Amino acid sequence: AQTVTQSQPEMSVQEAETVTLSCTYDTSESNYYLFWYKQPPSRQMILVIRQEAYKQQNATENRFSVNFQKAAKSFSLKISDSQLGDTAMYFCAFTLFEGGATNKLIFGTGTLLAVQP
Amino acid sequence: EAQVTQNPRYLITVTGKKLTVTCSQNMNHEYMSWYRQDPGLGLRQIYYSMNVEVTDKGDVPEGYKVSRKEKRNFPLILESPSPNQTSLYFCASSSYRDRGIYGYTFGSGTRLTVV
Repeated sequence: AQTVTQSQPEMSVQEAETVTLSCTYDTSESNYYLFWYKQPPSRQMILVIRQEAYKQQNATENRFSVNFQKAAKSFSLKISDSQLGDTAMYFCAFTLFEGGATNKLIFGTGTLLAVQP
Repeated sequence: EAQVTQNPRYLITVTGKKLTVTCSQNMNHEYMSWYRQDPGLGLRQIYYSMNVEVTDKGDVPEGYKVSRKEKRNFPLILESPSPNQTSLYFCASSSYRDRGIYGYTFGSGTRLTVV
């Protein structure tokens, strides 16, 4: 069974600084997708960034980038130039490439990020 | 606008009173799913559906029912709600082919309180 672990329940960063959120996962499969979702106080789930396991290049979306280490099963999220609007709960999530009968998105427990002015 | 519409946004009910949370998507997605979010536990899957009339249990299905009579709709039914079902609920949908590109689209959540 696949699992996703986020070991940092809460983090804090100063505005304009850089912060890295950690995520590790466990799977015996070789092809899968990884995601980071943001949940602001409005509680909407917003896709931040995604990574295909078969691509070695780390995904980047503006100020958000990932450090994908497939052998270590690690998928950390780096937020550069942190802004007050980045304050949110961040969830790491995983789904198999060949979803088959489940197509399930498996979540970590989340990291609550507070950006301080 | 492509979206998942979930209603109601807030609901307070009493133990044992049947309720339904509706979910509708306008993206012609095959896959739909229900999650519950609890502090310290992340989001856990309740039920999912791969297509019309195809549903199956997720990780925490006890006390819930679903149906998929139309592709766009996937209601969550609590036949006899109990206080341990107090939670934040999300409906999500995706295209099997494109989920690696666009991810999963979520509804705006339903905050359910059972007293």
